[in-house]
Amino acid sequence: SQQGEEDPQALSIQEGENATMNCSYKTSINNLQWYRQNSGRGLVHLILIRSNEREKHSGRLRVTLDTSKKSSSLLITASRAADTASYFCATDASFQKLVFGTGTRLLVSP
Amino acid sequence: NAGVTQTPKFRVLKTGQSMTLLCAQDMNHEYMYWYRQDPGMGLRLIHYSVGEGTTAKGEVPDGYNVSRLKKQNFLLGLESAAPSQTSVYFCASSSDRAQPQHFGDGTRLSIL
Repeated sequence: SQQGEEDPQALSIQEGENATMNCSYKTSINNLQWYRQNSGRGLVHLILIRSNEREKHSGRLRVTLDTSKKSSSLLITASRAADTASYFCATDASFQKLVFGTGTRLLVSP
Repeated sequence: NAGVTQTPKFRVLKTGQSMTLLCAQDMNHEYMYWYRQDPGMGLRLIHYSVGEGTTAKGEVPDGYNVSRLKKQNFLLGLESAAPSQTSVYFCASSSDRAQPQHFGDGTRLSIL
């Protein structure tokens, strides 16, 4: 069963716009991670946020975590065509295992 | 620095055939994982290993076996392939269970 569920399933924006995708999960977590997957490639880790953190930044990425609502959001500012990819959240809730969501497909058009 | 390398990249099998997928990592990571990715399902954990000589079942282990004889290698075996095992298989590794995982580029497996 999936722990994390991303919303929306698909998002289409223009270059320069911001993209926001959300992740909801069901149980208490130790940390939450976001990954990117380009078409035909493996997943690439973007950012990790621990359960005692509320916000984290990395370049154009901003991640928030609200443990009371069991949700996280990933904001990509000033999107570029190269940001076109699928984005997955993954929760570290149980010993030794990450559980991945079903992903958000982002299309950034020039 | 290759990271995580998966071989082969593509394979077509007939029902009932067997094969082994190989994953190799050069980062000296203790933890290694095998996932399958199906449309609309995200990634599902098949088996994982927390160190050389150890393996454990994940979410969807049936029909698969694994071995970790060397720290850098993690093998996934299909003894008798079934069409339901048509998928993209990803291997990943990490230094610790809480650390980010590094992924290979996948093996696309079709079973006819």
